[in-house]
Order: sequence, then C-alpha cells, then structure tokens
Amino acid sequence: AQTVTQSQPEMSVQEAETVTLSCTYDTSESNYYLFWYKQPPSRQMILVIRQEAYKQQNATENRFSVNFQKAAKSFSLKISDSQLGDTAMYFCASSLTGGGNKLTFGTGTQLKVEL
Amino acid sequence: DTAVSQTPKYLVTQMGNDKSIKCEQNLGHDTMYWYKQDSKKFLKIMFSYNNKELIINETVPNRFSPKSPDKAHLNLHINSLELGDSAVYFCASSQRRSGILNTGELFFGEGSRLTVL
Repeated sequence: AQTVTQSQPEMSVQEAETVTLSCTYDTSESNYYLFWYKQPPSRQMILVIRQEAYKQQNATENRFSVNFQKAAKSFSLKISDSQLGDTAMYFCASSLTGGGNKLTFGTGTQLKVEL
Repeated sequence: DTAVSQTPKYLVTQMGNDKSIKCEQNLGHDTMYWYKQDSKKFLKIMFSYNNKELIINETVPNRFSPKSPDKAHLNLHINSLELGDSAVYFCASSQRRSGILNTGELFFGEGSRLTVL
C-alpha cells in the first residue's frame, strides 16, 4: 500500500517570494509516479507537475519545480515568484506504473499568497 | 469542450433519498474513477472502471453503486442518503493501458457538491 504525508496544513508566502511545500511518501514499489495537484477555490483539480520515479532529473514547469529524493522518499514542490493566483490547496499524490493509475493523495497544504 | 464533465455540480437533498451523479469524458481514456473529498478536503478513491469493468472497489457502503455503460461514462448512484454522505464527489479519467499515453495523470471533473440535510 502507498501512503503520502504532507506535514504542513497551511503556509503563507509574500507575492514574488519563493515557497517550498513538503511531501513524503512510502511505497514498496520501484516504479511509480509522483504528482502535485492544485485545487483553487473554484474546486477544480489541476495538475501542477509530474515526476516519474525512474528519472533522476527533477521535473520543472515554469515557476514550479520539484526536489525528488528517491532514497529519502521525499518529493517537495518549490514555487518561485509566487503569484496571487497560486493561492490554493496543494495535494501531493502517488500512483503505480505498469498500467495502474490509482492515485493516493496526501492531506493537502493550503497555500496563501499575500500582497 | 470540457474534458471530464459531471452533472449536477450541486445537489441538495434530504436524508433517505436516492440520487445520481453522472460523468462523461471525451478524452478517449479507458479508465474512469470516482473520488470522494470530505469536509477536511481529504481525497479518497471509491471506485474505478477500466473499459466498463470494475477494477477498484474500496471500502464503500453498498448504498453506493457505480455504473459504466461504456468507457466514456461512469455514473454514481447513492441510495438512502445519510448525513455523512455530504461531500464533493470527483469523477476522473486516465489512460491505464500501458504505453506512451499512460502518463499516470488523472484528469478531473469539476466536482459535484452533495449536501444531505
């Protein structure tokens, strides 16, 4: 079974600053995916970034990047140049490869970007 | 065009009633899911269908019955609604078949907020 832990229920950051959201996971599998999803007040679940466990290079998507530490089972999200529109609940999630896409979610981190 | 669409978006009903939520995806995916998000925002999978076949059935009361008439549709019917069923229900889809299209990503609908009074 997979578990995902997000230890920061809430965080805040000033506009234009950088913030890092933490995530740890546990799995006995060697091949899996890791994700960060964003849920703004509109309720829509939006994929922010995706990492394949077999890739050592950290994924980046514009202002969003991850620090993937496979041995430590850590998958943190860094948001650079924070914008007001980044205010949302952020969920870390994992799923197995090999055809199975069941996502296991963490409990989420509510991020507030302030002026 | 909305990729994964759910109806209704909001549903308010009395305890004991029966209600359904419908979901359709136009992404050509072969797998669909129902997730429940509780009042603390925790997301938990309920069911998953692959090409109309039930492949994931988590510990969910049997008052909840999913139905997939084809791989583009997955409906959720709930009998004898209880207060604890109040939540946001998300439908999602993905391409499960192994290959380059299987990125592991789930595409979510906008959610259906169910309130049981």
